[in-house]
Amino acid sequence: DADVTQTPRNRITKTGKRIMLECSQTKGHDRMYWYRQDPGLGLRLIYYSFDVKDINKGEISDGYSVSRQAQAKFSLSLESAIPNQTALYFCATSRSDEAFFGQGTRLTVV
Amino acid sequence: AQSVAQPEDQVNVAEGNPLTVKCTYSVSGNPYLFWYVQYPNRGLQFLLKYITGDNLVKGSYGFEAEFNKSQTSFHLKKPSALVSDSALYFCAVRDGGYNKLIFGAGTRLAVHP
Repeated sequence: DADVTQTPRNRITKTGKRIMLECSQTKGHDRMYWYRQDPGLGLRLIYYSFDVKDINKGEISDGYSVSRQAQAKFSLSLESAIPNQTALYFCATSRSDEAFFGQGTRLTVV
Repeated sequence: AQSVAQPEDQVNVAEGNPLTVKCTYSVSGNPYLFWYVQYPNRGLQFLLKYITGDNLVKGSYGFEAEFNKSQTSFHLKKPSALVSDSALYFCAVRDGGYNKLIFGAGTRLAVHP
């Protein structure tokens, strides 16, 4: 089983819909992150969390919210999806220097 | 503000030839630099890091990277490319605490038989 699991792997949704992307990890790491990947832009940080009581905005948090339900779970929500949120979303964890990434969720907003 | 730049969108190399994927950085203070690789339909995988110490860093799958402070570069290298090295490569720099990463735009490496 993967150490960092994202669900769903693919999702198509309509503009204005609420959608949640889920991430769970078995690595026991405190730090969790959500990034989005767009062609030609690399990965950009949306939100990050040090523990269940610590949530921080990243570079591009507008239009997104997160919930850290437990040390192992970190969910990303789009309250009202818009087409420019179409992207590949990655969850990651870390303890020290190295980050561990999930396989990604490909989200398409039509 | 911290940043990294990958000046090449794509690098093409023949199998067996040496490869270099370029990265330059701009940071305040000492840089913590990383290389990650992304294979199709996969998440990013850690290759190597530079925190301090020797300027030549060795990593996974035979890759290495050379830290050059005067040129603010951290180029990824491999002496002999394999077709299986074909992937998307990202350079990244740590941004403050929490191990946040700032990524370059990525360089697609294509190794031809």
